[in-house]
Amino acid sequence: ILNVEQSPQSLHVQEGDSTNFTCSFPSSNFYALHWYRWETAKSPEALFVMTLNGDEKKKGRISATLNTKEGYSYLYIKGSQPEDSATYLCLKDTGNQFYFGTGTSLTVIP
Amino acid sequence: DTGVSQDPRHKITKRGQNVTFRCDPISEHNRLYWYRQTLGQGPEFLTYFQNEAQLEKSRLLSDRFSAERPKGSFSTLEIQRTEQGDSAMYLCASSSWRENDEQYFGPGTRLTVT
Repeated sequence: ILNVEQSPQSLHVQEGDSTNFTCSFPSSNFYALHWYRWETAKSPEALFVMTLNGDEKKKGRISATLNTKEGYSYLYIKGSQPEDSATYLCLKDTGNQFYFGTGTSLTVIP
Repeated sequence: DTGVSQDPRHKITKRGQNVTFRCDPISEHNRLYWYRQTLGQGPEFLTYFQNEAQLEKSRLLSDRFSAERPKGSFSTLEIQRTEQGDSAMYLCASSSWRENDEQYFGPGTRLTVT
């Protein structure tokens, strides 16, 4: 993998459904993996920063895991709500270079 | 502190003109980052500062782009001889080692080159 890739590109779910997205990245030169939520007309909002292989972070209904050896991170949203609708971006931090994925656009249908 | 601010929010300029954007980070943050985002893409890293030192520049940053952070507080990003391909959203972020360098973003400056 040469770039930071996210899948799926977009996702529509019903309110109350749980969902997850993937961020894949080159495992070399790894320092940290960040997740952001970006709502239209707002600034990107930091969700998590993870540095260690096997890290798991949780904030309310949102959680994330990290596998640095195979180069992927999962973001989970439990019981999606309409206010979760946003683009979710991951960022690979090498310590001195920063690579965003193209994002997963989530729409939660009431 | 109200967060990261950027000025202006929108800029329309003619090709060949120079433009300068300003970013004011969160006051206690020692790192400041510049990114560029074009439609349908994730933000692309341009450069970052630790205090007043510019530590890294992306290969994307051509000679027409220059950034400064003279006193380790606000930063400016200048684009000389703008081209239509420079049209994008320019995002600034700041971070602190005390918060694992979690980046806080400003609202961005939307540049349109006509």
